[in-house]
Amino acid sequence: DAKTTQPNSMESNEEEPVHLPCNHSTISGTDYIHWYRQLPSQGPEYVIHGLTSNVNNRMASLAIAEDRKSSTLILHRATLRDAAVYYCIRNSGNTPLVFGKGTRLSVIA
Amino acid sequence: SQTIHQWPATLVQPVGSPLSLECTVEGTSNPNLYWYRQAAGRGLQLLFYSVGIGQISSEVPQNLSASRPQDRQFILSSKKLLLSDSGFYLCAWKRRAYTEAFFGQGTRLTVV
Repeated sequence: DAKTTQPNSMESNEEEPVHLPCNHSTISGTDYIHWYRQLPSQGPEYVIHGLTSNVNNRMASLAIAEDRKSSTLILHRATLRDAAVYYCIRNSGNTPLVFGKGTRLSVIA
Repeated sequence: SQTIHQWPATLVQPVGSPLSLECTVEGTSNPNLYWYRQAAGRGLQLLFYSVGIGQISSEVPQNLSASRPQDRQFILSSKKLLLSDSGFYLCAWKRRAYTEAFFGQGTRLTVV
């Protein structure tokens, strides 16, 4: 049980920002929110993670709701290379990461 | 820097044959290690994980087994492969607790 809910698919135009939502309404106070993406025929790649505050790195930004029941991964300018399946995961310490079905992002040129 | 090696990249094996997939991590010590499988068009299924040498936890009962003979080595095995064992096998590692996981490039196994 991934314990997160994401839309099955989303579409974006190239060069436009993309907001990928994730619901984790049963998240505990110590669970981190992790995002990974998987390009075709490759293993998942770490994107970003956070606990309470919004986070930024070179790949993306993570906006976490104040009640922590949802979060949004933001790609500021989608490129064709960003087309992938994006996974939102609750990281509960030493327990293994459980992947759900993720969101398949298509980027249109 | 840390790296994870997984081999072979592709493998075609007949039904009933044995399997051994190896994964090694460099540049870190005492990692948590994981084996996942992804069937065609499906999500990632956690198979095994290990928090230390000789410590293996199984998530799904099946004809696969895992071993961790050394700190940074994780092996996935089967004595007799089934057609349903076909898939994309991924090894991953992470440091303790809340850190990110790093995945290998995977082994695409086809059982014929």
